[in-house]
Amino acid sequence: GAVVSQHPSRVICKSGTSVKIECRSLDFQATTMFWYRQFPKQSLMLMATSNEGSKATYEQGVEKDKFLINHASLTLSTLTVTSAHPEDSSFYICSAGRGRGVDEQFFGPGTRLTVL
Amino acid sequence: QQQVKQSPQSLIVQKGGISIINCAYENTAFDYFPWYQQFPGKGPALLIAIRPDVSEKKEGRFTISFNKSAKQFSLHIMDSQPGDSATYFCAASLAGGYQKVTFGIGTKLQVIP
Repeated sequence: GAVVSQHPSRVICKSGTSVKIECRSLDFQATTMFWYRQFPKQSLMLMATSNEGSKATYEQGVEKDKFLINHASLTLSTLTVTSAHPEDSSFYICSAGRGRGVDEQFFGPGTRLTVL
Repeated sequence: QQQVKQSPQSLIVQKGGISIINCAYENTAFDYFPWYQQFPGKGPALLIAIRPDVSEKKEGRFTISFNKSAKQFSLHIMDSQPGDSATYFCAASLAGGYQKVTFGIGTKLQVIP
């Protein structure tokens, strides 16, 4: 149990286009989902926390208008990178909270975004 | 500000050896310290975790040692195997509620036959 999927696993897009990444909890309901960004050989940096039915809470320095997060249901959260640029190329990882504890957070497999 | 410092960034260990990864934290409010294992192209998976009221936790070949006064903790992988080759992240969080996880920079471990 506690499986989190992401779609797509890889995406290549042209500069200026928007890209949507889906994060789904397959076998549990996730009241809270987290979005992370990971640059090559670097750590995961939390971008935002989303709660079902409410606006996402963004970390300092993350542009909320560029990284749109929608947590429409208890099993689905989406991250849309708007007007993507090459510097947005990164590995985006979501995690979903099955319960309140950190040990109840489960990570998705990640999405590799490449912006040309 | 790097709240969780991790070293080394890369580590090569021979099969059967002991892999040791060290971490230090700054925020004394942290009270939950997980370690994650990440394989290339995959998301991290929780490996083992410890709370500061114990000094050591062991699960199979993996052991966390915790020194609260020094604000340091480490992961020991005994009898390291090639299948352990991955990137390991130490992290810190608050135990209660929907708390965010602060990750260390990661250690790329390679276990050679």
